[in-house]
Amino acid sequence: SQQGEEDPQALSIQEGENATMNCSYKTSINNLQWYRQNSGRGLVHLILIRSNEREKHSGRLRVTLDTSKKSSSLLITASRAADTASYFCATDPGGSYIPTFGRGTSLIVHP
Amino acid sequence: EAGVAQSPRYKIIEKRQSVAFWCNPISGHATLYWYQQILGQGPKLLIQFQNNGVVDDSQLPKDRFSAERLKGVDSTLKIQPAKLEDSAVYLCASSLGQQQETQYFGPGTRLLVL
Repeated sequence: SQQGEEDPQALSIQEGENATMNCSYKTSINNLQWYRQNSGRGLVHLILIRSNEREKHSGRLRVTLDTSKKSSSLLITASRAADTASYFCATDPGGSYIPTFGRGTSLIVHP
Repeated sequence: EAGVAQSPRYKIIEKRQSVAFWCNPISGHATLYWYQQILGQGPKLLIQFQNNGVVDDSQLPKDRFSAERLKGVDSTLKIQPAKLEDSAVYLCASSLGQQQETQYFGPGTRLLVL
């Protein structure tokens, strides 16, 4: 079974809007990572947040982590058509350092 | 800095045939991962190497899949014999260390088994 599950499965927004996707997991973790995948560039690392951190920013990306709820969110502000991609969270179940990916959220940004 | 290299990019074979994929990680990266990604799903870890030792291969179907990382650098993943359900993209990734640091992915090999 998947350790991390992204929600929603699909998201469709207009350019300029914000996009929020969530990741829930089941066991303790050392850190959580978000990746993006599109047909042009393959899987690309976006951001890593450690279990003792609550929020991280990178450009238009904001990631939060709530270890008490075992959940994380990825916010993309002022979205662009180029943000159209699938977004995956990856965790290490039980703090194993063995990565497990979720099924992903498919984001479509309409120009 | 060169990225993770994989070859071939595409492969079409018939069921029961054999196939091998090659990966060259980023120079200096100790950890190498092979993933299987079926259409519409997230990547599933098949095997993780730390240098030339296996860290985890619990999801590798060992009756037909094998992988090696000689000298702790390049790696090959082999399927013998292939089944229809092995049709997927096989991704190789590497990271500096084992502690789930940032993984850098190659472009993948798209396998179609007929």
